[in-house]
Amino acid sequence: QVQLVESGGGVVHPGRSLRLSCAASGFSFSNYAMHWVRQAPGKGLEWVAVISYDGTKYYYADSMKGRFTISRDNSKNTLYLEMSSLRGEDTAVYYCAREMLGLPLDSWGQGTLVTVSS
Amino acid sequence: AIQMTQSPSSLSASVRDRVTINCRASQDIRDAVAWFQQKPGKAPKLLIYAASTLETGVPSRFSGSGSGTDFTLTISRLQPEDFATYYCLQDHSYPRTFGQGTKLEVK
Repeated sequence: QVQLVESGGGVVHPGRSLRLSCAASGFSFSNYAMHWVRQAPGKGLEWVAVISYDGTKYYYADSMKGRFTISRDNSKNTLYLEMSSLRGEDTAVYYCAREMLGLPLDSWGQGTLVTVSS
Repeated sequence: AIQMTQSPSSLSASVRDRVTINCRASQDIRDAVAWFQQKPGKAPKLLIYAASTLETGVPSRFSGSGSGTDFTLTISRLQPEDFATYYCLQDHSYPRTFGQGTKLEVK
């Protein structure tokens, strides 16, 4: 069955960097665009970034442009999110989700918690 | 960026009630809206896409309507498992944007 498993979360100091991973299985990863979505504690969902099925196109939320980088390795069925210059407001559960044209975010991972704190 | 204004932010209802949740887009997005359900500590679950298409396996008591700027999620007869938080999402253009969420609680 479709499975998305995020990892790489943890506690990080402000200003530092962190890389999240999302391992995909049970479907043809290279056929799907992939998203990151985050949720701060007790808050709503916030879209972070997307990367096309082949990795050639990507878009970011305005507040994350220049600090976050989305990438993928289709040979490893893995999605990444490199986050730099982290701030307290980046504290959130980060989810990965897949999308095929016309069917948005139909499967999600369980999320990984990133806590930015000194 | 397209803004999605969702209302109400919270809603109290009883089992077997009919409830509606609304989302308004800041510009015409045709039918590019999806609806998600989220329970505490869990990932969101897709319910409806393209404004009115029910995702496979979602009960038929859920329905979506609307086009252009105004969209509605309706739950026709609430079941105990429906008490959760609901979000709309515009997938018309990037950056994607979610509504603020509607927490559906037991009256």
